[in-house]
Amino acid sequence: DAGITQSPRHKVTETGTPVTLRCHQTENHRYMYWYRQDPGHGLRLIHYSYGVKDTDKGEVSDGYSVSRSKTEDFLLTLESATSSQTSVYFCAIKETSGSYEQYFGPGTRLTVT
Amino acid sequence: QQQVKQSPQSLIVQKGGISIINCAYENTAFDYFPWYQQFPGKGPALLIAIRPDVSEKKEGRFTISFNKSAKQFSLHIMDSQPGDSATYFCAASITQGAQKLVFGQGTRLTINP
Repeated sequence: DAGITQSPRHKVTETGTPVTLRCHQTENHRYMYWYRQDPGHGLRLIHYSYGVKDTDKGEVSDGYSVSRSKTEDFLLTLESATSSQTSVYFCAIKETSGSYEQYFGPGTRLTVT
Repeated sequence: QQQVKQSPQSLIVQKGGISIINCAYENTAFDYFPWYQQFPGKGPALLIAIRPDVSEKKEGRFTISFNKSAKQFSLHIMDSQPGDSATYFCAASITQGAQKLVFGQGTRLTINP
């Protein structure tokens, strides 16, 4: 698992409520990513971070925000959850230099009712 | 906009046979092409990857074939085993900068014993 944990692993929430997912890494990697996985779409990039307080949008960023106040933690927030955000969310990390490989966490299954 | 197209969506192969999954990409700036394997309830795990300076890369029973002019690459699993039954994703990225992965839609592979 490349030292990546995600919490919670499962969550059910109601439409309109805020939700925060946490990704924690133990290896001090510079790059961290949030992807969502939906049937027929593979994985799609939501947001990514290239350092503390340095973040940028991915392909499907609408309705999501992120924060990275410490190297080891990358938070994904749904300000007002919608049913279209029901998905499995994966965090990934990339080693700082000399490698192109991204490693994924175990995922968080989010259901918005 | 689907920049990486993967086929087939599902594949059934007999034990000992060869499994072949194909991907095509559009962005000629892509220069890193990984394959991920995912078991139910788990995060994607990096299986094998290739850069465009070589046409083939082999690791054990897994081989990537790469055709730069056709903008296509494929995964071959030799002597397929029931334990290879999983979902496989191809992906592509540009290695400079944040290296944002663009994934194919996934192939569900079933190896019949």
